[in-house]
Amino acid sequence: KAGVTQTPRYLIKTRGQQVTLSCSPISGHRSVSWYQQTPGQGLQFLFEYFSETQRNKGNFPGRFSGRQFSNSRSEMNVSTLELGDSALYLCASSSSSGTLTYEQYFGPGTRLTVT
Amino acid sequence: AQSVAQPEDQVNVAEGNPLTVKCTYSVSGNPYLFWYVQYPNRGLQFLLKYITGDNLVKGSYGFEAEFNKSQTSFHLKKPSALVSDSALYFCAVRDMYSSASKIIFGSGTRLSIRP
Repeated sequence: KAGVTQTPRYLIKTRGQQVTLSCSPISGHRSVSWYQQTPGQGLQFLFEYFSETQRNKGNFPGRFSGRQFSNSRSEMNVSTLELGDSALYLCASSSSSGTLTYEQYFGPGTRLTVT
Repeated sequence: AQSVAQPEDQVNVAEGNPLTVKCTYSVSGNPYLFWYVQYPNRGLQFLLKYITGDNLVKGSYGFEAEFNKSQTSFHLKKPSALVSDSALYFCAVRDMYSSASKIIFGSGTRLSIRP
């Protein structure tokens, strides 16, 4: 099976702009989660989707949003970018059944730089 | 509230020696526990998990972890370290009894194996 893919891999944006990141999960996986990874804050949970429904949300401002499509692909959007949004954004997929016991499979990430 | 702690930012071990990467957790119910590894410029890879049953869990690349309920710990171990084990290791926890439970990652421990 193909792994989790994320596009684009690298992105440079200017403060105030918005950005959309895309994630394609492993075939058959219906759960997709997003994380922000920075050297200072570590790995922080953004949100989790299962079958097009947001199941969990982390403590991020409303500028961060996401969605999941019927084919399980997911997008996250960040509006009004700030310098502090510069980070590696990781997508992970898991579980065809929705239970919590499954491990997550991570994509390579999208490196976002805000200037 | 859930939390997970990795008390050591860095662990240094000589090749061939045993290694331990520490993790302690706090959940209101029973935990699902995971270990992941991140190599440079890569996403996280799943190593092993504890769901229920035997307290000693074996995973990929010769790693194992021991679940200790009384000490609320889930330390990662390997009997003989390899230079190729050098990477960033993350412990993660999820509350077993809450469908709204988020998965929480520790801050990460950088493992450095010297030849």
